[in-house]
Amino acid sequence: KAGVTQTPRYLIKTRGQQVTLSCSPISGHRSVSWYQQTPGQGLQFLFEYFSETQRNKGNFPGRFSGRQFSNSRSEMNVSTLELGDSALYLCASSLASGGTLKQYFGPGTRLTVT
Amino acid sequence: AQKITQTQPGMFVQEKEAVTLDCTYDTSDPSYGLFWYKQPSSGEMIFLIYQGSYDQQNATEGRYSLNFQKARKSANLVISASQLGDSAMYFCAMRDGGGTSYGKLTFGQGTILTVHP
Repeated sequence: KAGVTQTPRYLIKTRGQQVTLSCSPISGHRSVSWYQQTPGQGLQFLFEYFSETQRNKGNFPGRFSGRQFSNSRSEMNVSTLELGDSALYLCASSLASGGTLKQYFGPGTRLTVT
Repeated sequence: AQKITQTQPGMFVQEKEAVTLDCTYDTSDPSYGLFWYKQPSSGEMIFLIYQGSYDQQNATEGRYSLNFQKARKSANLVISASQLGDSAMYFCAMRDGGGTSYGKLTFGQGTILTVHP
């Protein structure tokens, strides 16, 4: 079974631009979560989607948004990029939402904002 | 609020020896899951092992085992017979189903493990 895939793997953007990242979960998984990893803040939860609905959201500004499609694929969008948005963005999938289900991560998208 | 603490920023171990990475946690939810992930320099988070709060036995996955002490709220990862390929960052994480933490993993700060030949 294929793992979680994320595209693109690397991205360079300029301040003020917007960016869209994509995540395809493991086949059969319906929950997709997004995390931001930076050297200073570590790993922080962005949001989780299940059955095309956002179930939970972390403490990030409204510039960070996401959505999930009927095939469980998810996209994350960051508008008006700032230098501080440079990070590794990780997507994780699990069979369902919440509880103690295992989450499996993709390889990440490394975003650099200049 | 959930909290995960990894007090060892870096650990060194000789190849073929065992090593323990520490993790303590805090949550008010009686139902939770504890995870360990390995992150090599490539960035991908690799799932290693899982322990549920109601599991009676400590989890094991090959060379990985989890020393779960519920009363002390600790979930230490033990790697037996270390290999050079084990050199990476290791994260402890927790997920519970309650309240505002619904669905999210809370991560510790990580421990960098270096295996010497």
